[in-house]
Amino acid sequence: GQNIDQPTEMTATEGAIVQINCTYQTSGFNGLFWYQQHAGEAPTFLSYNVLDGLEEKGRFSSFLSRSKGYSYLLLKELQMKDSASYLCAVRDRTSGGSYIPTFGRGTSLIVHP
Amino acid sequence: KAGVTQTPRYLIKTRGQQVTLSCSPISGHRSVSWYQQTPGQGLQFLFEYFSETQRNKGNFPGRFSGRQFSNSRSEMNVSTLELGDSALYLCASSPGLAGEPPKETQYFGPGTRLLVL
Repeated sequence: GQNIDQPTEMTATEGAIVQINCTYQTSGFNGLFWYQQHAGEAPTFLSYNVLDGLEEKGRFSSFLSRSKGYSYLLLKELQMKDSASYLCAVRDRTSGGSYIPTFGRGTSLIVHP
Repeated sequence: KAGVTQTPRYLIKTRGQQVTLSCSPISGHRSVSWYQQTPGQGLQFLFEYFSETQRNKGNFPGRFSGRQFSNSRSEMNVSTLELGDSALYLCASSPGLAGEPPKETQYFGPGTRLLVL
């Protein structure tokens, strides 16, 4: 099985930078995903990491350390529309050869003016 | 290009009934995954279909089943509904690559909100 931990809620100010952490335990790591989900809407893909290091995509960056079971999502120049839930998901390769994604409970980010 | 569509958007059923939900992926996408989202358990993976075959399966009871048609449209079925099956059911599609797991982006549909009374 897997255990994925991320903070339940974070608050930040418009224009600032926020880092959302995600720690995980898995036996067959095969990639880590970040999704954004606004209230009442479906999740949208933000990033994918399978190798250690930083992946940058505009205002959003995602970092992965496989040895530490740790990832973070960095949001720069925060905007009000960034208020949403951010889901960390780890894909695990099982002994049976299946690829199973497991999601964290999500971090609710509230951006204040 | 049209996005992922799911029907119906809302559904009310009673315990013991069965339900079938439908998902039409983005044109050209061959992989369809299904998820259940509840306030208590969060987002959980149900199963993934690729080329009409179930490729991966999460840890849900056999009451949850699915299938995929030759045009990549997918349906999931829940039999003998329980109160705890009340949830948002999401499907997501991606282009799909045979063999290795897809690295490409998954696109989610708007979901079907199921309420079991």
